[in-house]
Amino acid sequence: GDSVTQMEGPVTLSEEAFLTINCTYTATGYPSLFWYVQYPGEGLQLLLKATKADDKGSNKGFEATYRKETTSFHLEKGSVQVSDSAVYFCALWGYGQNFVFGPGTRLSVLP
Amino acid sequence: DARVTQTPRHKVTEMGQEVTMRCQPILGHNTVFWYRQTMMQGLELLAYFRNRAPLDDSGMPKDRFSAEMPDATLATLKIQPSEPRDSAVYFCASGLLRSIETQYFGPGTRLLVL
Repeated sequence: GDSVTQMEGPVTLSEEAFLTINCTYTATGYPSLFWYVQYPGEGLQLLLKATKADDKGSNKGFEATYRKETTSFHLEKGSVQVSDSAVYFCALWGYGQNFVFGPGTRLSVLP
Repeated sequence: DARVTQTPRHKVTEMGQEVTMRCQPILGHNTVFWYRQTMMQGLELLAYFRNRAPLDDSGMPKDRFSAEMPDATLATLKIQPSEPRDSAVYFCASGLLRSIETQYFGPGTRLLVL
C-alpha cells in the first residue's frame, strides 16, 4: 500500500538557519502531496501542497517541490524562526482515496 | 471564525468502560475524518465520511470501535469496551469534497484508559 517516510527527528536549529526535512513516498500512480504542521496542543494545519509532478508548493516561507523521479517532497525554509517550532508531517492523498501521513518530524528552533 | 469542535478534550476511564467522543464539523462541510495519534504509530486514519455516509473505516478495529454521523452537525466515535492500548489523542477533521486536502482539524480528545 501507499506509504510516506520522513527523516527522523528531532531537528534542532538556531534561528535564521536553513531547514530541510526530507520526505519520500511510495504510491500507485500520481498522488497529491502535502505538508501539515502541528503546534503544541493543537490539531494539524495544512502548510502547503502540490498536486502534480514538478509543482512547487509554498507558504509562509516554506517550499516543497514534487519530484516524481525521486518520489520525494522535501520541505525547505531559508531562515527559520522560533515560532516555526512544531511537528511537521508529510502526507499523500492517493488512489486509495485516503490520507497517508508520515511519522512526523519535530523541529525546535533556538533563539 | 469557524472551527471544528471536539468534546471532551480530555477523558480518563477504566478498562472495559464505554467511551464516546463527539465532533462538530464546520457548518457546510461535507467530509469528516477521524484520526488517532500515538507516539508509536503516529497519525492513523480511522474513518472517513462523505455526506454523512461512511466511505472508509478500514483503519478502525471493528470489534470495539464504531463511528457514526447521526446528522450533519455531529460525528461520534465510540469505543466499547475500551482497552489501555486505545490511549491516544483522537482528532476529528472536516472539509469540503471539492478541496479535500484542506482539512480543518479539531483540537483533539486526549484519551487515557487505565
